[in-house]
Amino acid sequence: EDQVTQSPEALRLQEGESSSLNCSYTVSGLRGLFWYRQDPGKGPEFLFTLYSAGEEKEKERLKATLTKKESFLHITAPKPEDSATYLCAVQVEIQGAQKLVFGQGTRLTINP
Amino acid sequence: EPEVTQTPSHQVTQMGQEVILRCVPISNHLYFYWYRQILGQKVEFLVSFYNNEISEKSEIFDDQFSVERPDGSNFTLKIRSTKLEDSAMYFCASRRDRGETQYFGPGTRLLVL
Repeated sequence: EDQVTQSPEALRLQEGESSSLNCSYTVSGLRGLFWYRQDPGKGPEFLFTLYSAGEEKEKERLKATLTKKESFLHITAPKPEDSATYLCAVQVEIQGAQKLVFGQGTRLTINP
Repeated sequence: EPEVTQTPSHQVTQMGQEVILRCVPISNHLYFYWYRQILGQKVEFLVSFYNNEISEKSEIFDDQFSVERPDGSNFTLKIRSTKLEDSAMYFCASRRDRGETQYFGPGTRLLVL
């Protein structure tokens, strides 16, 4: 069964304190790994797509990396506005149809 | 920047009533999805739709659920007879091509009483 596990469930940091979020996965037919940001009561907002091991993507204070079994979202010198839930999802393909399988998310709080 | 839109943002209904959730995907996208998120839980896949037919559906998507693309712009999810456990946020998503990013709408919060 396709499975995505994120850790930690919640993380509280001080402004400027860098850290990493983990996403480990066991899937068949991986067709990409996606990171989304979700604010309370809103829809997932796209951040990054990674397709192959060794790939890295960066955007402002965020950097996503991918290995064969896990992905990391590194946050450097975070600000309070980076507080959100960060969702990891893998795109899997079954008989030609693709869908996203999500982890439960990491709730990140950045204190000023 | 193009975005997925959903209406209504909130819907309250009585158990057993029918509801229709509406979505306008990004205009040049060809693949459409519905997901749901029960409060405090993971985002779960419901159904995918391409070329005017369902391409995959989850175990959650039983006979009470249906999807339709009634015209060139709208994509709807109908729940025929709502249950208490259907209370959740429902997200529509779309993507342009296979393997590309799925973009999500803001969601409809459905509350079944």
